Amino acid sequence: AQSVTQPDIHITVSEGASLELRCNYSYGATPYLFWYVQSPGQGLQLLLKYFSGDTLVQGIKGFEAEFKRSQSSFNLRKPSVHWSDAAEYFCAVGTTSGTYKYIFGTGTRLKVLA
Amino acid sequence: DAGVIQSPRHEVTEMGQEVTLRCKPISGHDYLFWYRQTMMRGLELLIYFNNNVPIDDSGMPEDRFSAKMPNASFSTLKIQPSEPRDSAVYFCASSFGLAGKGEQFFGPGTRLTVL
Repeated sequence: AQSVTQPDIHITVSEGASLELRCNYSYGATPYLFWYVQSPGQGLQLLLKYFSGDTLVQGIKGFEAEFKRSQSSFNLRKPSVHWSDAAEYFCAVGTTSGTYKYIFGTGTRLKVLA
Repeated sequence: DAGVIQSPRHEVTEMGQEVTLRCKPISGHDYLFWYRQTMMRGLELLIYFNNNVPIDDSGMPEDRFSAKMPNASFSTLKIQPSEPRDSAVYFCASSFGLAGKGEQFFGPGTRLTVL
């Protein structure tokens, strides 16, 4: 069965520090992979997506993610975090065969210290 | 475009009452999704439509929940009768094209509280 795991429920970093949010997936084929961000009281907004090709993808707000097939991972990174990045981040897998499934991870809540 | 529109933004009701949540997807999008978000279970897909037709409702928790999409610009999620455990934030999202590949655009959500 398809699944998405975000092992870190909460992460705290200082402003200006680098960030890496982990995402592991389980899926038999090559999935479509997404990272979304949810600010308090808001809906989810797409940060970036991976379908095929270059395994390092760039997104909005200075975020990037790297697809590593051997590790079934799609970790999100940012070299220097801003206070406005404090939010909840969701990794998602979109299945590519059979009945459509778009599975979200449980989310990682990011806190940024001034 | 105004994005996905949901109404109401907040709903407080008493147990046993009927609740109707509304969603207007982005014009031209052919997929519409209803999600529920709670602290305990995270973000759950309840049902999704393609071209106004329900495709997968396996996430609908029970018969008290129903969803309709009478036309391309409107969908409702109804809970009857409501229970306190239905308290959650309900999101509507829409996308264009192949569901697994298309970016989903989320509405601001409806925060439902059932007393």
